[in-house]
Amino acid sequence: DIQMTQSPSSLSVSVGDRVTITCRASQSISSYLNWYQQKPGNSPKVLIYSASSLQSGVPSRFSGSGSGTDFSLTISNLQPEDFATYYCQQSYSTPTFGQGTKVEIK
Amino acid sequence: QITLKESGPTVVKATETLTLTCTFSGFSLSTSGVGVGWIRQPPGKALEWLALIYWDDDKRYSPSLESRLTISKDTSKNQVVLTMTNIDPVDTATYYCAHRRGTYGSGSYFNWFDPWGQGTLVTVSS
Repeated sequence: DIQMTQSPSSLSVSVGDRVTITCRASQSISSYLNWYQQKPGNSPKVLIYSASSLQSGVPSRFSGSGSGTDFSLTISNLQPEDFATYYCQQSYSTPTFGQGTKVEIK
Repeated sequence: QITLKESGPTVVKATETLTLTCTFSGFSLSTSGVGVGWIRQPPGKALEWLALIYWDDDKRYSPSLESRLTISKDTSKNQVVLTMTNIDPVDTATYYCAHRRGTYGSGSYFNWFDPWGQGTLVTVSS
């Protein structure tokens, strides 16, 4: 199994802040990295696929970068609807998810 | 528009076998490249991928759960079924099925889960 480690596990931020979440793979996964957003009581929704491609309909304040083992998700100008938990997922081999990063209101 | 919906028991007794059904619309599991996966999430915890079935009936399982899982498809009914044997209270979770979407880029085939079903909470009683 490829292990995915996210950091931080939670962070408290304010509306308008810039937020960066990182995800590290236990081995190189090229650009086979996806990011999901999950709000309480809802199923996850994809934000970013192949490390940096924005899913259709996702606001441009979300961006992804990285390749190999280190990746990041950045949310610029955080909006109230962005408070949620974010997961990375590798699709290089049998899928695995990170442990999640909860973005909370400060 | 692609939709998926999970169905199955809400409560299962320990040691029994859990059978979950994913009924979908908006795509065919006989189309090349298409896949459907199962992912679960214990209350308050992270997502865990369980299994994936492809259009050609190829199947993949989580290594840690492979001995307990079976995934199958009924293309005519637009359904994917997941069975998990010897269920335990630690298997209490919301179980999701999801469509595997993909695209070619830079000489590679990238895939991700989109969309997901609404999920079904399964509680395992001891």
